[in-house]
Amino acid sequence: SQQGEEDPQALSIQEGENATMNCSYKTSINNLQWYRQNSGRGLVHLILIRSNEREKHSGRLRVTLDTSKKSSSLLITASRAADTASYFCATDGGLDNFNKFYFGSGTKLNVKP
Amino acid sequence: EAQVTQNPRYLITVTGKKLTVTCSQNMNHEYMSWYRQDPGLGLRQIYYSMNVEVTDKGDVPEGYKVSRKEKRNFPLILESPSPNQTSLYFCASTQGGVAGVNEQFFGPGTRLTVL
Repeated sequence: SQQGEEDPQALSIQEGENATMNCSYKTSINNLQWYRQNSGRGLVHLILIRSNEREKHSGRLRVTLDTSKKSSSLLITASRAADTASYFCATDGGLDNFNKFYFGSGTKLNVKP
Repeated sequence: EAQVTQNPRYLITVTGKKLTVTCSQNMNHEYMSWYRQDPGLGLRQIYYSMNVEVTDKGDVPEGYKVSRKEKRNFPLILESPSPNQTSLYFCASTQGGVAGVNEQFFGPGTRLTVL
């Protein structure tokens, strides 16, 4: 399976601290995306990084991609209680399965006020 | 408002009783997809459609059927539901006919329990 692994599975931090989540995947990809899910609700897209990009920023989010290691990280700076959610990385299936979509198992982030 | 809608939001049914979960999007998106979410497993793709009348299997298609007769609708059909299909289901759509190129927009989810 292409499904990614996310690390850590759960993360608890204080408001104002930075949160870093990691994602690894198994085969080549075209793009990698990060999504947020609040407690059983629909996922919301955060950021997309293409395979030829190494780093991307959006507000308090910073995403890196290392295709040689097949890994990505999501950094949330100056976290807020409202950032409490589960975060998932998602990839296409690369050249062999480019129309399929694969999600990681997620990191559950708890930001304490 | 641009959105993906799913119905019903909650459903309790019994083994073997055919059911359909509807999904509709108003963004004129080509690509639509169904996922199931189970604890500890993230989201797994069931079926996807690149455009009208074009559908294909995802990672976990067994026990499910789909159809794409119109661009906006992508219903998920369980012909004979079983307890192992108890899960949280999400429909999603994205612009273009290729996965991963653009962001996916997700519906609110359908929580299905099969007794």
